[in-house]
Amino acid sequence: NAGVTQTPKFQVLKTGQSMTLQCAQDMNHEYMSWYRQDPGMGLRLIHYSVGAGITDQGEVPNGYNVSRSTTEDFPLRLLSAAPSQTSVYFCASSYGPGQEYEQYFGPGTRLTVT
Amino acid sequence: GESVGLHLPTLSVQEGDNSIINCAYSNSASDYFIWYKQESGKGPQFIIDIRSNMDKRQGQRVTVLLNKTVKHLSLQIAATQPGDSAVYFCAEKEEDNYGQNFVFGPGTRLSVLP
Repeated sequence: NAGVTQTPKFQVLKTGQSMTLQCAQDMNHEYMSWYRQDPGMGLRLIHYSVGAGITDQGEVPNGYNVSRSTTEDFPLRLLSAAPSQTSVYFCASSYGPGQEYEQYFGPGTRLTVT
Repeated sequence: GESVGLHLPTLSVQEGDNSIINCAYSNSASDYFIWYKQESGKGPQFIIDIRSNMDKRQGQRVTVLLNKTVKHLSLQIAATQPGDSAVYFCAEKEEDNYGQNFVFGPGTRLSVLP
């Protein structure tokens, strides 16, 4: 199993540009989440999904969109990039409640917005 | 002014000594907690978890202690090794409709001295 994969590893955007961060998992996990991590801070939840076709907002959803058309993929879209979105983005997946909550994280995407 | 969040608390220990990393959580209704390890340039990695109906759980070289009275969690690492150098996060699961919303602490950087 590849686990959780994320692309790209690094990205530089200009203010106002849009892009999609890709996330895929091959563990048949129902739950997937996107977090951002800023220097010296813990991870903050952006959006999450409890299954294909179902998404919900986390703590810091503004400026981001998600969709979940398949169990495997959970892309994160930045609609109009802003310097405040410079961060490291992590995607995570897990089986879900009643089974285990352990989240498996991808390697991260480091995004810089100039 | 400088944000408090920019500088992680740091714990330096001698190789072979025991390490204790502490975490204060915020929600007395949280029912599940996880400790993660994050090495430089990588995503967080699950170490150990504990449910709120327990006060101690042991793994291989690691022990988590939960004190619900003062909302405090600790991670003890026995015989600390150079490979243990990383940032350690605690995460609490807050109750929500889907039971999947985790709140992460800011982290503690563990440095193992030779």
